[in-house]
Amino acid sequence: QVQLVQSGAEVKKPGASVKVSCKASGYTFTAYDINWVRQAPGQGPEWMGWINPNSGNAHYALKFKGRVTMTRDTSISTAYMELSNLRSDDTAVYYCVKDAGTRPTWYFDLWGRGTLVTVSS
Amino acid sequence: DIQMTQSPTSLSAFVGDRVTITCRASQNINAYLNWYQEKPGKAPTLVIYGASSLQSGVPSRFSGSGSGTDFTLTISSLQPEDSATYYCQQSSGTPLTFGGGTKVEVK
Repeated sequence: QVQLVQSGAEVKKPGASVKVSCKASGYTFTAYDINWVRQAPGQGPEWMGWINPNSGNAHYALKFKGRVTMTRDTSISTAYMELSNLRSDDTAVYYCVKDAGTRPTWYFDLWGRGTLVTVSS
Repeated sequence: DIQMTQSPTSLSAFVGDRVTITCRASQNINAYLNWYQEKPGKAPTLVIYGASSLQSGVPSRFSGSGSGTDFTLTISSLQPEDSATYYCQQSSGTPLTFGGGTKVEVK
């Protein structure tokens, strides 16, 4: 079964970091880029960046540069997104999403179920 | 950044109605426009890519059109299971951006 399984919900204090995992199955993990998208309550989705699971090269949206790190472990077909120096407005559902093509298409045919990250003192 | 503006923000229609959602880009994105459906408690799913290509497994009552800056998603005969929020997304360049969503209610 083709799926992305994400780690569970997190509650963090302002200034802390969070690391979300995304385990792929049912397809060749290294053949498709993984992007990360977040959605704050009542808002549209927001793109954070992407990682090439084959090379490990990652590219981040300017808004998140310096705070976000995307990595992967090919031995377990898992991608990770770590966001540091959390603020209350980072409260959102974080999704890992699979690019639809083996060359970047920049649209996504498979989404994880999402990981709720709540930032609260 | 390319801004994506959807309208309306919500709509309510009867089963069998034809429904149209619009999405406008702040600059020319050619046909690099995609549509997603999001149901409560579930991850979004791809409905239309490349402005008008139907994703595999999506019912043929869904269609997309447009190019440049103006796009539409049409549901030709609304069904109860189409109740969801729909988002457009441009894939013309990074940062990728999404519209604010259109909530569709089936009466």
